[in-house]
Amino acid sequence: AAGVIQSPRHLIKEKRETATLKCYPIPRHDTVYWYQQGPGQDPQFLISFYEKMQSDKGSIPDRFSAQQFSDYHSELNMSSLELGDSALYFCASNLEVEGEQYFGPGTRLTVT
Amino acid sequence: KNEVEQSPQNLTAQEGEFITINCSYSVGISALHWLQQHPGGGIVSLFMLSSGKKKHGRLIATINIQEKHSSLHITASHPRDSAVYICAVSRYTGNQFYFGTGTSLTVIP
Repeated sequence: AAGVIQSPRHLIKEKRETATLKCYPIPRHDTVYWYQQGPGQDPQFLISFYEKMQSDKGSIPDRFSAQQFSDYHSELNMSSLELGDSALYFCASNLEVEGEQYFGPGTRLTVT
Repeated sequence: KNEVEQSPQNLTAQEGEFITINCSYSVGISALHWLQQHPGGGIVSLFMLSSGKKKHGRLIATINIQEKHSSLHITASHPRDSAVYICAVSRYTGNQFYFGTGTSLTVIP
């Protein structure tokens, strides 16, 4: 069965650069969630989208933005990268009416 | 204080042992989730519970809504069970997850 796809899987950027992370949800899923997991930390919710509209917002910095496109894929745009942005970024998807979320493999971002 | 607390934080067991990981939460939830995260990071959903008990292979998850407590049990543990087990709750259907601190399990052959 198709799973959540994230790209790239690994990304190395320098401070003050920008990065774009992509998430392709499971087909027919209408909701996408973004989470950030710092080294040795719990995942933290960043933002979610339902039917291409932002549905909830967590601890997402103002330097980050995200959107969900007409094909339901989502992109997380990160600007003015800081060393503290180094983390594993997970995308998850589900059908809004269902509780279970399906996680992608994550994108490991390293800011140097 | 974290809304979701897990214990223990670290657990080492001998192969074959019965393992229990506990999760307590302090908020109203629509469901509780047990997740598994292997080294390298990928997260896999093990169970979603809103009441009672679920079993999948050697894994059993229970939840007591009144006590706001859930347990994940692993029977006949195996080294391949070594991973971080995370308890997460969703406040209402479709909502974001609130994660516990995770329990790092190492099963020794």
